[in-house]
Amino acid sequence: DAGVIQSPRHEVTEMGQEVTLRCKPISGHNSLFWYRQTMMRGLELLIYFNNNVPIDDSGMPEDRFSAKMPNASFSTLKIQPSEPRDSAVYFCASSLKDRWRKLFFGSGTQLSVL
Amino acid sequence: SQQGEEDPQALSIQEGENATMNCSYKTSINNLQWYRQNSGRGLVHLILIRSNEREKHSGRLRVTLDTSKKSSSLLITASRAADTASYFCATDRMDSSYKLIFGSGTRLLVRP
Repeated sequence: DAGVIQSPRHEVTEMGQEVTLRCKPISGHNSLFWYRQTMMRGLELLIYFNNNVPIDDSGMPEDRFSAKMPNASFSTLKIQPSEPRDSAVYFCASSLKDRWRKLFFGSGTQLSVL
Repeated sequence: SQQGEEDPQALSIQEGENATMNCSYKTSINNLQWYRQNSGRGLVHLILIRSNEREKHSGRLRVTLDTSKKSSSLLITASRAADTASYFCATDRMDSSYKLIFGSGTRLLVRP
């Protein structure tokens, strides 16, 4: 199995631009999580899906952030418009929807908003 | 808000020594997990301990859990330079389903 695949690996954009981060979870996993990591705030859970349905998006910073999971093998996290304070590493993780949830993380997307 | 807080924030040891990291959390949990993150990479699951377990081993890793004190420790024995990484505890709270919250991490440096 290739593991959780995220793209792009690095993204540099200018303030005000739309940014779309992509994630392909491990086949057979039915839960998907988006986390954001910064030095100041550590790892923050933004949103998670069970069976493609958003369950908890309370961690999404503001309306500029949106996430979708149109099918079991693909998810996107979109920021529109982007701001410099959105600069961070964004991780996608997937797991089986069971009681002993173990997360498998992608390599992350390093986002820099200038 | 963060559920788990690791202690110390940073730890520097000599190769061959043992490394101990601690994690404290606030609410009742279903399980507690430890993850490792190498620089520039995603997190990797190391070990999971259930709320009804007190100790668990995996290779050179030993994890303890004290639910009365809401704390856990991760011991890495006979450390190697390759163990240099950040280590995070994560808790799956009983009051929220399927929501794994991570602590702030311990940066471990193992000097060769």
